[in-house]
Amino acid sequence: KQEVTQIPAALSVPEGENLVLNCSFTDSAIYNLQWFRQDPGKGLTSLLLIQSSQREQTSGRLNASLDKSSGRSTLYIAASQPGDSATYLCAPGGDDYKLSFGAGTTVTVRA
Amino acid sequence: DAGITQSPRHKVTETGTPVTLRCHQTENHRYMYWYRQDPGHGLRLIHYSYGVKDTDKGEVSDGYSVSRSKTEDFLLTLESATSSQTSVYFCAISVLASAQGEAFFGQGTRLTVV
Repeated sequence: KQEVTQIPAALSVPEGENLVLNCSFTDSAIYNLQWFRQDPGKGLTSLLLIQSSQREQTSGRLNASLDKSSGRSTLYIAASQPGDSATYLCAPGGDDYKLSFGAGTTVTVRA
Repeated sequence: DAGITQSPRHKVTETGTPVTLRCHQTENHRYMYWYRQDPGHGLRLIHYSYGVKDTDKGEVSDGYSVSRSKTEDFLLTLESATSSQTSVYFCAISVLASAQGEAFFGQGTRLTVV
C-alpha cells in the first residue's frame, strides 16, 4: 500500500517569500505524480502532473520535481502571494491511475 | 473541471437508510473514481471503474457499492448509511490520451448521516 507523507503539515510565510513543499512516498513503482490545490470547502484543482519518466514540470510560478527512485517530490512556489493560501496535496498515481494522497500542507501567505 | 458534475452537493440522511450519489461526466473518459475525504485521513479511494460494468474496490470499500451502466455516469451507493460514513465524497476521472492520466475532480458531495 502506497504511503504518502507531506512535510511540513502547515506553513506560514510573508508575501514574496518562496515556498518549498515536500512529499515522500513509499512505493516507487508509480505511473505519474500530481500536485493539487484545495481551498476550504472546495474541490481539488490540478496544478502539475509529472510523468514517471520526467524529472520536473513547470507552470508559471510553480515548479515540481520528482525523484522516483528515492520516492520524493518537491513543489516550489516562487514569490508567494496571499492568493496562494490553500492546502496543497501530493498524489502519486499507480496502476489504473489510482491516486494515493498525503494529508497535505496548509499554506498561509501573510500580506 | 473536465465536465464533472456531482449530485447532490449536500445531503443529510438518517442512519440505516440507503443513499446514492451520482457522478456525471460529459467527455466519455474511461476511468472514474470515488474518494472520501476526512480530517486526519486525507483522501481515500472507495471504488473505481475502468469501463462500463467494470468496477473494482479501493481501500475503504466496505459498506459501499457502485454501478456504471453508462460511460458518463458512476453511481456510489451507501447500502445502509452509518455515522462513520459522514464525509465529503469526491468523484474523479483520469484523462488518458492527451493528458497522460491526469486526474480531475468534481466539486464534492457533503454527506451527513444523523
